[in-house]
Amino acid sequence: DAKTTQPPSMDCAEGRAANLPCNHSTISGNEYVYWYRQIHSQGPQYIIHGLKNNETNEMASLIITEDRKSSTLILPHATLRDTAVYYCIVRGSNDYKLSFGAGTTVTVRA
Amino acid sequence: NAGVTQTPKFQVLKTGQSMTLQCAQDMNHEYMSWYRQDPGMGLRLIHYSVGAGITDQGEVPNGYNVSRSTTEDFPLRLLSAAPSQTSVYFCASRTLDRENIQYFGAGTRLSVL
Repeated sequence: DAKTTQPPSMDCAEGRAANLPCNHSTISGNEYVYWYRQIHSQGPQYIIHGLKNNETNEMASLIITEDRKSSTLILPHATLRDTAVYYCIVRGSNDYKLSFGAGTTVTVRA
Repeated sequence: NAGVTQTPKFQVLKTGQSMTLQCAQDMNHEYMSWYRQDPGMGLRLIHYSVGAGITDQGEVPNGYNVSRSTTEDFPLRLLSAAPSQTSVYFCASRTLDRENIQYFGAGTRLSVL
């Protein structure tokens, strides 16, 4: 399993972009990068995923470096409701489980 | 479309009691799984299933049983509850295609006294 490294916490001002880094230097060629978040007391929520190319959806953007050893999740306009623990996970498409590490606790401040 | 539904939301048990946590999904997903989350920690996989009649163990299966008689339902059984099983339990489902996107229920908060 490819291991990921994320900062334990970060603050962000409401309305500003939040950039969440993730290192995954041992990622293999067929492994995707997934991002989930868990708002307090709720189940984890899928945000976005990618293999090589940058991806964007209605929630966020995912920037993956060319060597695929790191990535950044971008929340373009953070709101108070984005306060959550964000998990970066590297998995193959056929892997049956998601291994959730400690994640990054993001606090959006007014 | 309800997604993944877990019942009950809260439960208090005495040591030695048994109970079943229910999980149902209406997305016709082949894969379902159970995780537990202890305070301040990440999720740990208990059991999973890749289809009706097929189950397998995850990281922390001891003390839990599962069965999968239908695609929709994946109940988790605690045979003899112990205080160490106090946790929040999440059920998840996904398709078996390459996207590997998992959808989680709202969780069951279990306390064993």
